[in-house]
Amino acid sequence: AQTVTQSQPEMSVQEAETVTLSCTYDTSESNYYLFWYKQPPSRQMILVIRQEAYKQQNATENRFSVNFQKAAKSFSLKISDSQLGDTAMYFCAFMMGGGADGLTFGKGTHLIIQP
Amino acid sequence: DTAVSQTPKYLVTQMGNDKSIKCEQNLGHDTMYWYKQDSKKFLKIMFSYNNKELIINETVPNRFSPKSPDKAHLNLHINSLELGDSAVYFCASSQGQGGFQPQHFGDGTRLSIL
Repeated sequence: AQTVTQSQPEMSVQEAETVTLSCTYDTSESNYYLFWYKQPPSRQMILVIRQEAYKQQNATENRFSVNFQKAAKSFSLKISDSQLGDTAMYFCAFMMGGGADGLTFGKGTHLIIQP
Repeated sequence: DTAVSQTPKYLVTQMGNDKSIKCEQNLGHDTMYWYKQDSKKFLKIMFSYNNKELIINETVPNRFSPKSPDKAHLNLHINSLELGDSAVYFCASSQGQGGFQPQHFGDGTRLSIL
């Protein structure tokens, strides 16, 4: 079974700073996908960024980028120029390729952006 | 135009009752899911379903049953509700199984058992 670990239950940074959320996972699969989801207080689940395991290049989406270290099974999320609207729970998630087992989530990191 | 919609958004009921949560997606996706988010915000897959296969997480009690009248709907029926069933339930959908296609989530249904 796959496991996803987020070791930072809560983080707090000042607006405009850069923050990195950590995520490690454990799997014996070679074909899989990794995701970061954001859950603001409104409860919506919003996809932030995704990464295919077979791609070495790190994914980026505007202010959001990942540091994907496949050998170390690490998938951290970097948020640059943080904004008040980034305040939310952030979940790292894993999905196997070719299966229908759904997403396996970490326990989440509560990120607070201070004005 | 909501992509994945769940009704109701809030459900308060007594222990022992039977209830249903409806989910509809208008994205034309072929795979739908139910997730449970507990009071500590931990999200866990309950079911995934497409027109060929239902995959059940082994930890889900058989009081929970998904029912799909058609490809665009996956409803969740819960029998004999227990206090521990209090949670937020999310429906999601994607095109294809277990791939790069991201899952689109509904806004969740908060179920409270009295």
